[in-house]
Amino acid sequence: DVKVTQSSRYLVKRTGEKVFLECVQDMDHENMFWYRQDPGLGLRLIYFSYDVKMKEKGDIPEGYSVSREKKERFSLILESASTNQTSMYLCASSLNTGDPQPASEKLFFGSGTQLSVL
Amino acid sequence: QKEVEQDPGPLSVPEGAIVSLNCTYSNSAFQYFMWYRQYSRKGPELLMYTYSSGNKEDGRFTAQVDKSSKYISLFIRDSQPSDSATYLCASIQGAQKLVFGQGTRLTINP
Repeated sequence: DVKVTQSSRYLVKRTGEKVFLECVQDMDHENMFWYRQDPGLGLRLIYFSYDVKMKEKGDIPEGYSVSREKKERFSLILESASTNQTSMYLCASSLNTGDPQPASEKLFFGSGTQLSVL
Repeated sequence: QKEVEQDPGPLSVPEGAIVSLNCTYSNSAFQYFMWYRQYSRKGPELLMYTYSSGNKEDGRFTAQVDKSSKYISLFIRDSQPSDSATYLCASIQGAQKLVFGQGTRLTINP
């Protein structure tokens, strides 16, 4: 069965700390994504990556960075955590067929990391 | 204004009822529309997708797109308690990026 694994289910950090959220997929997918999910706002795209060492800004990249050194792993980094970064973080991956057919846009999500910044 | 708007609910209905979940979108270029289902403490999973206008049926679920009014709907017939989840509509923004609605939390009461 396909799997996207996020390293932590719950995380509590202090303001100003550097935070690493890790995501690993076992499906050999080219595309990987980081979203945050907040009540009333839905899923918002932070960063995504089409390939190793490639990254693209999403809709809300401020305060975040990413790293993709290996195809299966995509890390989200909060350089200096702030309270407004308290949220559910969801990692996802998808196959890159180069074709905007819905099947190619099928995202496989991890179970999420609930981050609380105090 | 978000490109895809969805009433976050919550929506609570009795078992067996027909459920209607709705979204509106603003970008006329959107052609593919998806519905994701998210159970509590899980990530979203693709439920259905449709292309352009029209209906698509899968068991008790029907997805409908009306491009003239920029309206997306998901109907659930004979709703079951196991359908209780958050439902998210989405469309492809381009270059394999999805844009999501806010999600509607649905509870089916036995």
